Amino acid sequence: DGGITQSPKYLFRKEGQNVTLSCEQNLNHDAMYWYRQDPGQGLRLIYYSQIVNDFQKGDIAEGYSVSREKKESFPLTVTSAQKNPTAFYLCASSRDIFGPDEKLFFGSGTQLSVL
Amino acid sequence: DQQVKQNSPSLSVQEGRISILNCDYTNSMFDYFLWYKKYPAEGPTFLISISSIKDKNEDGRFTVFLNKSAKHLSLHIVPSQPGDSAVYFCAASELRGSTLGRLYFGRGTQLTVWP
Repeated sequence: DGGITQSPKYLFRKEGQNVTLSCEQNLNHDAMYWYRQDPGQGLRLIYYSQIVNDFQKGDIAEGYSVSREKKESFPLTVTSAQKNPTAFYLCASSRDIFGPDEKLFFGSGTQLSVL
Repeated sequence: DQQVKQNSPSLSVQEGRISILNCDYTNSMFDYFLWYKKYPAEGPTFLISISSIKDKNEDGRFTVFLNKSAKHLSLHIVPSQPGDSAVYFCAASELRGSTLGRLYFGRGTQLTVWP
C-alpha cells in the first residue's frame, strides 16, 4: 500500500535544540516537498527536491535544513535558528517535476511545538 | 505577498444545497490550478484540477470553473454532504517558467455542511 509516512505525529522542541522530522515515501516519486501550515495560513513551501542529492529553497527556508540522500527519504531539520517553529509540517511528493496532470500527495503531517 | 487568495475563511451550507468556494490569483503566469481538501491533523488530499486551456472541469459532485480574464476560479459542490465539511485549499502553479515544480496555496476556506 503506497504512500507517504511522516513521523513522529507530535514533536516537542526545547529552546536551542535541533529536531528532525522524518518523511518516507514508497510511491517511487522523484520529487519531494516540505510545507509548513500555521493557523489561518495557507501552506508555505520550505524546501523541495526534484531528484536525489539535489534540493532547492522554498519561500521560508531560513532556520531549516534538508537532505536527499535516498529517493525514498527527505528529512527536515528544524534548527535553533528557526525562532518560531511551532506549526504543522507537511511532507509531499509528486511523480516528477510538477507538470500537467501532476498532483502532490501529502503525508499526514507532524505537529511541532516548542516547550 | 499572497499570490493565491481565498477571501472567505469560512462557509456554512445546508446539506443538499450547493457550496461555492472562491479563489483569486494575482500571477498571470499561473496556468494550472488545483483544489485540495484537508481534515484536521491530516494531510491535504487532491480533489480536482484545471489547466488554463479549459474553463470548466467536472468530477462527480465537484466542478471547478476558471475565469482567466478575472483571475478567478471557483469550486462548486453539488449536492453538499456533511462529509464535505473540511478546509478547502486552492493552489496554483506555472507549468512553464522559473517556478516550475512549485505550488502556491491560498489560506483555505473552512466549509461546514449542516444537516
